[in-house]
Amino acid sequence: EDQVTQSPEALRLQEGESSSLNCSYTVSGLRGLFWYRQDPGKGPEFLFTLYSAGEEKEKERLKATLTKKESFLHITAPKPEDSATYLCAVQASSGGSYIPTFGRGTSLIVHP
Amino acid sequence: EPEVTQTPSHQVTQMGQEVILRCVPISNHLYFYWYRQILGQKVEFLVSFYNNEISEKSEIFDDQFSVERPDGSNFTLKIRSTKLEDSAMYFCASRESGQGAGNTIYFGEGSWLTVV
Repeated sequence: EDQVTQSPEALRLQEGESSSLNCSYTVSGLRGLFWYRQDPGKGPEFLFTLYSAGEEKEKERLKATLTKKESFLHITAPKPEDSATYLCAVQASSGGSYIPTFGRGTSLIVHP
Repeated sequence: EPEVTQTPSHQVTQMGQEVILRCVPISNHLYFYWYRQILGQKVEFLVSFYNNEISEKSEIFDDQFSVERPDGSNFTLKIRSTKLEDSAMYFCASRESGQGAGNTIYFGEGSWLTVV
C-alpha cells in the first residue's frame, strides 16, 4: 500500500527563519510527487511536481527537492503570508492508476 | 488563469436528503476527480472519471454516491440519503493528460457540506 508521511505536523517560525518540511513516501514506482499549499477552508493550490530523484524546482521563497525516498520543501526567509498547510501527494506508476495519495500535511505558521 | 469552479461553496442539508455538488473543470482537461476532506483529516480520493465513465473509485465511493457529466462542461457528485458522517469539504479536480505538465491535478475551492 502506498504511504505518504509528512513531518513535522506543525511548524512555527519567525519571519525570516528558514526551515524545511519533509515528505517521506513508499510507493511501487514513483510517477510523480506533488506539493500543494492549502489555506483554511480552501482547496489545494498547486505548487510543484517532481518526477525523478535529484530534481529540484523553485518558486519565490520555496524550493522542492526529491530523493528516492523523500522530498523536502525548503522555505527561505518565510513571511507571514507563507502561513498555510503544505500537502504532499504521491502518484504511483504501477497499475496504471494516476491517483495521487495525500499525506496529512504540515501546518506552517510564520510569526511577524 | 483557468480554474476549477465549484458550487455551492457551502450547503447544509438534513440527514437522509440528497445533495448534488457541481463542478466546472478546466476546459481542455480530460480527467476529472472528486476528493473529500473531513475536518482536520487528510484529503481522500473518492472517484476518477474519464471518457464519460468511472475509471477508478475508492472504498468510500459506495452506492450512496454517483457522478455524472451531463453536458460538455459540468461534472456532478450526487450523494443520496446523506449521513452525518458525510459532512466534509468536497473537492473537484481535473487533469489535462497523463504526460508532463498535463499530469498535474488542479483543485477547485471546494464545497463544504454539513449534514444535520
